[in-house]
Amino acid sequence: NAGVTQTPKFQVLKTGQSMTLQCAQDMNHEYMSWYRQDPGMGLRLIHYSVGAGITDQGEVPNGYNVSRSTTEDFPLRLLSAAPSQTSVYFCASSFKWGAGGYTFGSGTRLTVV
Amino acid sequence: SQQGEEDPQALSIQEGENATMNCSYKTSINNLQWYRQNSGRGLVHLILIRSNEREKHSGRLRVTLDTSKKSSSLLITASRAADTASYFCATDEVRGGSNYKLTFGKGTLLTVNP
Repeated sequence: NAGVTQTPKFQVLKTGQSMTLQCAQDMNHEYMSWYRQDPGMGLRLIHYSVGAGITDQGEVPNGYNVSRSTTEDFPLRLLSAAPSQTSVYFCASSFKWGAGGYTFGSGTRLTVV
Repeated sequence: SQQGEEDPQALSIQEGENATMNCSYKTSINNLQWYRQNSGRGLVHLILIRSNEREKHSGRLRVTLDTSKKSSSLLITASRAADTASYFCATDEVRGGSNYKLTFGKGTLLTVNP
C-alpha cells in the first residue's frame, strides 16, 4: 500500500498566487485532515473531513479551502498565498474517527515569497 | 489552542538509557496518542491509550495515563540512536456536538547519543 501520498514535496509561490496541495490515500480511510507545522508551534489543524462530501474547519482555516468529492482524495487549496502561509503541510488519515491513530503523509514544504 | 504540552522540550541521553517524556493536558479526553517524527519526515503513530486505561505497552514503549492529574508519560527503554526524533502527544478532547479534532502538543526532541 502507498498509504498517504502528498504532492508536491516542495513548492515556492509568489505572494498572491494560488495552488492546490494534493493528498491521496489508498486505505479506504473515512477521516482525513490537514495540519501545518511551524517551528515552536507544533501541529495546527487547518481542515478535516469525516467522509466524502463532509468537511469542517480546524484551528487555523483562514486562507485555505478544502473539498472531499471522493473517499481517496482531500486537496487543500491556498486561495491567495501569503508569506504567513510558509510552512510544512501534512495530510493525515484514519479509518474512522476515534478508531485508532493517524497515518501521515511525508509533507509538503511550502515557501511563499 | 494547545491542549497537550510535552515536558521536557529537549532531552539528551546515552544509548542504552531509558527516556521519559511527559504530556500534560487541560480538559477531559477520550484518548491520548503518542507520535514520533524523524527530522524532515511525517509523523508516525506509536500508541493510543483510552481514558479508561492506565497503562499500555508496545515493544520498548510504555505509556501511562493519569486522568486525575491530566497527564501522560511515554517511557522508551534501552534507547538506541535510531530513537532520536521528536515525540508528540495528541489528545482527542471530550466536547459536545461533533468534535473530530486531534490536538497536538509542541513535542519533545529526544537525542540518543551513541
